[in-house]
Amino acid sequence: GAGVSQSPSNKVTEKGKDVELRCDPISGHTALYWYRQSLGQGLEFLIYFQGNSAPDKSGLPSDRFSAERTGGSVSTLTIQRTQQEDSAVYLCASSTMQGNTGELFFGEGSRLTVL
Amino acid sequence: AQSVTQLDSHVSVSEGTPVLLRCNYSSSYSPSLFWYVQHPNKGLQLLLKYTSAATLVKGINGFEAEFKKSETSFHLTKPSAHMSDAAEYFCVVSYPRGGSNYKLTFGKGTLLTVNP
Repeated sequence: GAGVSQSPSNKVTEKGKDVELRCDPISGHTALYWYRQSLGQGLEFLIYFQGNSAPDKSGLPSDRFSAERTGGSVSTLTIQRTQQEDSAVYLCASSTMQGNTGELFFGEGSRLTVL
Repeated sequence: AQSVTQLDSHVSVSEGTPVLLRCNYSSSYSPSLFWYVQHPNKGLQLLLKYTSAATLVKGINGFEAEFKKSETSFHLTKPSAHMSDAAEYFCVVSYPRGGSNYKLTFGKGTLLTVNP
């Protein structure tokens, strides 16, 4: 597709279960970002991938969160042993260049609800 | 650390009247600044960006913003609101120097309501 694609668009899970969220960036974009959007909290940076460089994981809130990017394209964000405070919209974005001077292209997000 | 403050969590205007969404940032260096818009259940879309060129930046849909270094502000304006402008708006700051120059910092957002 032409834009950033995220799946699932909605996910309801029970506390303690693991979830995987997928992001398919725009073809050719070397940079990929994950953000978390909680109600009234703005966007929280989670992780950044740039080409073959080691990812910046400094925004991941705990070791229950991990992400990988296979083949420099699709990325998966995994949350283990989900907690209710993990409920949020998880947004993925991609870019052709370093994000501070370039435009980020966002997907529509994956809304996670942990019961 | 960089930070950005959106001074109003909610702004309500009537259709056809001007829009002002306020944003202030903290600054150690010259920042890059952006405004993004998010319509309900949609991803974020770039409205405009400032990257040390002209201080008055024009964006899509008739929006513009002025970078004022002396006030550390980057307020978003539009002369005449349209119903389709109703959305959440995010001010974003990023610094081109330092080890984490790719990490954008988002404000908490301003919800714009446009009344008929």
